[in-house]
Amino acid sequence: QKEVEQDPGPLSVPEGAIVSLNCTYSNSAFQYFMWYRQYSRKGPELLMYTYSSGNKEDGRFTAQVDKSSKYISLFIRDSQPSDSATYLCAMRDSSYKLIFGSGTRLLVRP
Amino acid sequence: EAGVAQSPRYKIIEKRQSVAFWCNPISGHATLYWYQQILGQGPKLLIQFQNNGVVDDSQLPKDRFSAERLKGVDSTLKIQPAKLEDSAVYLCASSPRTGAEAFFGQGTRLTVV
Repeated sequence: QKEVEQDPGPLSVPEGAIVSLNCTYSNSAFQYFMWYRQYSRKGPELLMYTYSSGNKEDGRFTAQVDKSSKYISLFIRDSQPSDSATYLCAMRDSSYKLIFGSGTRLLVRP
Repeated sequence: EAGVAQSPRYKIIEKRQSVAFWCNPISGHATLYWYQQILGQGPKLLIQFQNNGVVDDSQLPKDRFSAERLKGVDSTLKIQPAKLEDSAVYLCASSPRTGAEAFFGQGTRLTVV
């Protein structure tokens, strides 16, 4: 079993839709949770960074962590074609080693 | 502020050949990472430097991969000899300190034929 599981997609939605991206994990020691966006042929860029359980909002993006279920989510409101990319979840414990999910490809259709 | 620079962007080599990648981190960033990203997978950490010392190289295949960070700034990652399964994008990232946000370069896409 992988430490971090993520549906590879692709996920195709119409412009303006609410997008939900999810990851599950098995290591209860993970404390820090991140979402990265990766455009084709580019390096990942950090979108959201959360510690422990709860919600964090930044513009159209909301990150949610449920440590009891070992489940994290990223919601994108009013999705735009420019949001089309691969979204990677990542997490770590106190050792600072980031463990990435395999990424979900998102396509937002105009 | 300039980002993380990597070169070359693309490299095609035959198996059993050697190859080297170069990374110049963001100025002042003490922590530098090399990741391997195989197509359809998330990045996997190969090695982490703090200044010019190795913090974690537990997932670096040391029989063929080596990395150094001279003077705590630039870094090179070498593969010798390359295997077909080494085909991947090699990403360099840096952060001001361990545990802080990591900024990624665009990566070097390696194809081993």
